[in-house]
Amino acid sequence: NSKVIQTPRYLVKGQGQKAKMRCIPEKGHPVVFWYQQNKNNEFKFLINFQNQEVLQQIDMTEKRFSAECPSNSPCSLEIQSSEAGDSALYLCASSLRRAQNTLYFGAGTRLSVL
Amino acid sequence: GDSVTQTEGQVALSEEDFLTIHCNYSASGYPTLFWYVQYPGEGPQLLFRASRDKEKGSSRGFEATYDKGTTSFHLRKASVQESDSAVYYCALSDLNSNNRIFFGDGTQLVVKP
Repeated sequence: NSKVIQTPRYLVKGQGQKAKMRCIPEKGHPVVFWYQQNKNNEFKFLINFQNQEVLQQIDMTEKRFSAECPSNSPCSLEIQSSEAGDSALYLCASSLRRAQNTLYFGAGTRLSVL
Repeated sequence: GDSVTQTEGQVALSEEDFLTIHCNYSASGYPTLFWYVQYPGEGPQLLFRASRDKEKGSSRGFEATYDKGTTSFHLRKASVQESDSAVYYCALSDLNSNNRIFFGDGTQLVVKP
């Protein structure tokens, strides 16, 4: 069973509303990832962190999303102004090291934007 | 750029059939290869991984061999069960990618009793 905890499991928002989801990575894992999985099961990488530092992020994340991994608090991903196309499963994953390491995923937050 | 191609979008089998899901990859470096499985309502979970040419990964009767020559990592199982029904993803991670994992499009396996 996954030790990465994501909350909430389901999130329903109207267009233009903020949507915020949280993730507690597996204990001892300093590297955290966010992926978006669409209804066709395709994965889109959004952003990753090592401790509190952003390692990599895509343009979309930079412009419309905000994410952080503060020390001693859950990581979070927030969509500033939700759009219908943001409806997806948002997956958080953690790993021990930066390079070529196994990712351990949470169960995800399913966002529906009406 | 790095990418993973899974040929089969969906595979339908009966219990005790032999399974093959094809996976080919493209990477600039020497990637680590993974097979993940995702059940409904859950996140992907690691089935197994391989990091070197000719290395075989295996778990729960599933296996795949890293083949650098043909850039492949095909998933096989000799005898599937209904409980194996899930979506299977081939994936790779490259030293140059900050551990970002590139996933294939997934293969939906349906096993009928």
